[in-house]
Amino acid sequence: QKEVEQDPGPLSVPEGAIVSLNCTYSNSAFQYFMWYRQYSRKGPELLMYTYSSGNKEDGRFTAQVDKSSKYISLFIRDSQPSDSATYLCAMKSGGGATNKLIFGTGTLLAVQP
Amino acid sequence: GAVVSQHPSWVICKSGTSVKIECRSLDFQATTMFWYRQFPKQSLMLMATSNEGSKATYEQGVEKDKFLINHASLTLSTLTVTSAHPEDSSFYICSARDSNMNTEAFFGQGTRLTVV
Repeated sequence: QKEVEQDPGPLSVPEGAIVSLNCTYSNSAFQYFMWYRQYSRKGPELLMYTYSSGNKEDGRFTAQVDKSSKYISLFIRDSQPSDSATYLCAMKSGGGATNKLIFGTGTLLAVQP
Repeated sequence: GAVVSQHPSWVICKSGTSVKIECRSLDFQATTMFWYRQFPKQSLMLMATSNEGSKATYEQGVEKDKFLINHASLTLSTLTVTSAHPEDSSFYICSARDSNMNTEAFFGQGTRLTVV
């Protein structure tokens, strides 16, 4: 079993739709949870960063962490064609440089105009 | 915001030659940088952790003699793929750790290496 599981998609939605992206994980020691957006042939860009459980909102993006279920989500409201990209969840157990960042495989999202 | 510059963005080389990839933090000092490899439709896999002024720490299964990492300054780390072979063809991405944040928030643009 992989430490982090993420549905690879592809996920296709119409413009304006609410998008829900999810990851599950098995390591209960994970404390830091991130969502990255990666456009084709580019490096990942940090979207959301959450420590421990709870919700965090930034503009059209909301990140949720449910540590009891080992489940994290990213919601995108009013999705735009420019949101079309691969979304990677990532997590780590500690804040130090020795704690590896473990990535999901990424979900490919296509927002149709 | 902080920027990490990775160069080149793509490179084609002949089998048996070596290729150097540079990763620079442009507006912050990065005591630690990370090198990842990404295969198509797969996740980023950490290859090694690069610490300024000391030897890199390689992940299990990564050949340290093949993937040479140098982190000689607080703003520059390099990855050299030595004696490249077609199976080394991949997307290589670096990230730099800002000591003020508890995550590797800043990634380079990536380097597409094709070995022919």
